[in-house]
Amino acid sequence: DIQMTQSPSTLSASVGDRVTITCRASHNISSWLAWYQQKPGKPPKLLIYKASSLESGVPSRFSGSGSGTQFTLTISSLQPDDFASYYCQQCFSYSQTFGQGTKVEIK
Amino acid sequence: QLQLQESGPGLVKPSETLSLTCTVSGGSISNSDYYWGWIRQPPGKGLEWIGSINYRGSTYYNPSLESRVTISGDTSKNQFSLKLSAVTAADTAVYHCARVNLIVAAAWWGWFDPWGQGTLVTVSS
Repeated sequence: DIQMTQSPSTLSASVGDRVTITCRASHNISSWLAWYQQKPGKPPKLLIYKASSLESGVPSRFSGSGSGTQFTLTISSLQPDDFASYYCQQCFSYSQTFGQGTKVEIK
Repeated sequence: QLQLQESGPGLVKPSETLSLTCTVSGGSISNSDYYWGWIRQPPGKGLEWIGSINYRGSTYYNPSLESRVTISGDTSKNQFSLKLSAVTAADTAVYHCARVNLIVAAAWWGWFDPWGQGTLVTVSS
């Protein structure tokens, strides 16, 4: 199985901050990575696919980058609606494993 | 707009079989461009892919659950279902269904979008 490791597990930030979340894969997954946002009691919402492609309707303050084993999700200017948990998921192999999640909290 | 909705019992006894159904609206599970999957999330924990099915009924399962999982489809009702046998407390989770957007046409894996709201299944006597 390909293991996905996110960091940090929790992140405290303020509105307007630039936020970066990192996801590391245990094997080379090329650009086959997706990012999701999840709020309490809601299903995950797709933000980014193929490492850097922004899903339709997702604000442009969200961006993804990386390839191989190292990936980042960046929120350029954190908004009140962005306080949530974020998960990466590798789409390279059939096991489709997720990272453990990063919770973005209000500082 | 494609929508998915999970349904089924919210409480299952240990050693019994968990059964859930996902009803798809606004699109057809017979669409050959996609697979349809189940993902679960234990309370306060991360996400785990359970398995997927395509329009021809071809299925693929997470190896860690394969011995206990069966996914089936009913194209006439535009539904697909999950059965997980011999459940324990460790199977307590929110169970989501989702469409699998394939990375390439020949694959059966990809990213999940959209998702159903999810349904909490508790395993307890």
